[in-house]
Amino acid sequence: AQSVSQHNHHVILSEAASLELGCNYSYGGTVNLFWYVQYPGQHLQLLLKYFSGDPLVKGIKGFEAEFIKSKFSFNLRKPSVQWSDTAEYFCAVIAYGNNRLAFGKGNQVVVIP
Amino acid sequence: DTEVTQTPKHLVMGMTNKKSLKCEQHMGHRAMYWYKQKAKKPPELMFVYSYEKLSINESVPSRFSPECPNSSLLNLHLHALQPEDSALYLCASSQDNGRAPDQPQHFGDGTRLSIL
Repeated sequence: AQSVSQHNHHVILSEAASLELGCNYSYGGTVNLFWYVQYPGQHLQLLLKYFSGDPLVKGIKGFEAEFIKSKFSFNLRKPSVQWSDTAEYFCAVIAYGNNRLAFGKGNQVVVIP
Repeated sequence: DTEVTQTPKHLVMGMTNKKSLKCEQHMGHRAMYWYKQKAKKPPELMFVYSYEKLSINESVPSRFSPECPNSSLLNLHLHALQPEDSALYLCASSQDNGRAPDQPQHFGDGTRLSIL
């Protein structure tokens, strides 16, 4: 079964700083990759997804992620964060044939005004 | 607002009670899911229904009993729960679990369950 690693569980940064969250997965076959965000008290929302094509995908709210197959990575980036980006961010992977969405442990991001 | 509706939002129950959690979606999705999420942890998959049939049970204790009455509804029946079962229970749906794994799952707000 696939597994997902997210490092630096707690991230604190100032507004306008750049954000990069790492995500690595372990699975040798074809995967689909997702980043979800959970704002305080709200439901999980899809930020972006990758399943084929251009490895650089753009999502909502100015986020983007790059799939690097050779590194089994799908890192999330935002050039300039806002206070409203304070949330928990989860990377998730689903493998063809497994059909289970596996989540990483999440990154708690706090943006200081 | 999410397109997956869960009721109730909060539930407090004793260990001998029987209660049910409900989930509804009207997006025409044919796959529905139950997850358990503890504080500061990622969601953990419990059950998957695909075309109204149970396709995945992640070795969940029998005190949790899922039911899918039709393609729009998903229930989770609870009986004789333990204090460690206190958590946020999330429902999700997607277009199709088996044939379109690239379709994202849409999550509800969850039911926050407390077992006394």
